Amino acid sequence: AQSVTQLDSHVSVSEGTPVLLRCNYSSSYSPSLFWYVQHPNKGLQLLLKYTSAATLVKGINGFEAEFKKSETSFHLTKPSAHMSDAAEYFCVVRGDNFNKFYFGSGTKLNVKP
Amino acid sequence: GAVVSQHPSWVICKSGTSVKIECRSLDFQATTMFWYRQFPKQSLMLMATSNEGSKATYEQGVEKDKFLINHASLTLSTLTVTSAHPEDSSFYICSASGREGTEIFFSNQPQHFGDGTRLSIL
Repeated sequence: AQSVTQLDSHVSVSEGTPVLLRCNYSSSYSPSLFWYVQHPNKGLQLLLKYTSAATLVKGINGFEAEFKKSETSFHLTKPSAHMSDAAEYFCVVRGDNFNKFYFGSGTKLNVKP
Repeated sequence: GAVVSQHPSWVICKSGTSVKIECRSLDFQATTMFWYRQFPKQSLMLMATSNEGSKATYEQGVEKDKFLINHASLTLSTLTVTSAHPEDSSFYICSASGREGTEIFFSNQPQHFGDGTRLSIL
């Protein structure tokens, strides 16, 4: 069975400092993993995806994520936070039957000036 | 990139009214569309999954007669909330997944989301 655990419900960083949003997954097969960002009253925007081509995935807006099979992790990072990064972030794994996606509970990122 | 358009963005209506929400994939063929409901400060709750030309598959606890889903073409799905009541007030989000660009593997295709519809039933 698939599942996703986002280890932190809230993360607060200062502008210009690194961001780390943690995600652990469980999956029977080699998973497809995604990170999305949601701003208030908006839909979700795809930041990046892992599809087994490369373990370090670069996404939009300077975000990256590294797939670590041994740790079943797919943590999202950014070297320097910007005020506009304040939002809710969701880690998602595609199900083994491919027609279902499993969401983490979300991490709210707060960026302090 | 792949764009999904969802309309309307806001709906306010009286109890007992039926409301239709449209979800369109603008630049790719959406073989699968998903409808979610999101409560404040919570993650997305999947309501149903629909494949083009097939009946939607509803999640446990979601009333299919209350939430009618139609996926008549590869670019359009609709959700109709029938005889809406105040407890149906929520944020509804659609998403679409399908072949886009050079990605040929089904398992690698992400979902692309609409901007959501805020439904308020008075």
